[in-house]
Amino acid sequence: TQTVSQSDAHVTVFEGDSVELRCNYSYGGSIYLSWYIQHHGHGLQFLLKYYSGNPVVQGVNGFEAEFSKSDSSFHLRKASVHWSDSAVYFCAVSANTNTGKLTFGDGTVLTVKP
Amino acid sequence: ETAVFQTPNYHVTQVGNEVSFNCKQTLGHDTMYWYKQDSKKLLKIMFSYNNKQLIVNETVPRRFSPQSSDKAHLNLRIKSVEPEDSAVYLCASSHRDAEQFFGPGTRLTVL
Repeated sequence: TQTVSQSDAHVTVFEGDSVELRCNYSYGGSIYLSWYIQHHGHGLQFLLKYYSGNPVVQGVNGFEAEFSKSDSSFHLRKASVHWSDSAVYFCAVSANTNTGKLTFGDGTVLTVKP
Repeated sequence: ETAVFQTPNYHVTQVGNEVSFNCKQTLGHDTMYWYKQDSKKLLKIMFSYNNKQLIVNETVPRRFSPQSSDKAHLNLRIKSVEPEDSAVYLCASSHRDAEQFFGPGTRLTVL
């Protein structure tokens, strides 16, 4: 069984700041790791995904994430946030079972102040 | 327009009633999903269908039943709603393990 942990329930930064949202996972086999964003009142939108290869993956809107097998982590980063980045961010794990089933973390609410 | 569409946007009903939510995707995907998002924003998968076949069926009460007429449609029926069913129900689609595309959700309130 795979589990996902997002240690920060809320993160508040100012516009132009850099931000890192933390995600740790536990699973013994090969997995897909991904990040999704949910703006208030909307469904989720895909940001980026890692399965293999370069541990740093680039996503939409300047987001990137780095996979670390030794730390069991997949943290999301952005160098300079905009107020429109305020949203809930979900880290997700999918075991390589060909079902597409995602297990989500509890989410991190990012608030970007002007 | 290619996307995932859900109807209705909102539904308010009373305990014991039956409700049905619709989901349609025009992305040509072969896999569709239903997720439940509670008031704390926690997301849990309920069901997943691939080409009209049920492939994921998490532990959900028997009053929930998915219905798929073809690979572009996946509906969700709740036979006799309970207060704890109040939540946002999110439909999604994908090509198997590829990124999932989500609909806007259906917010259910059970009085």
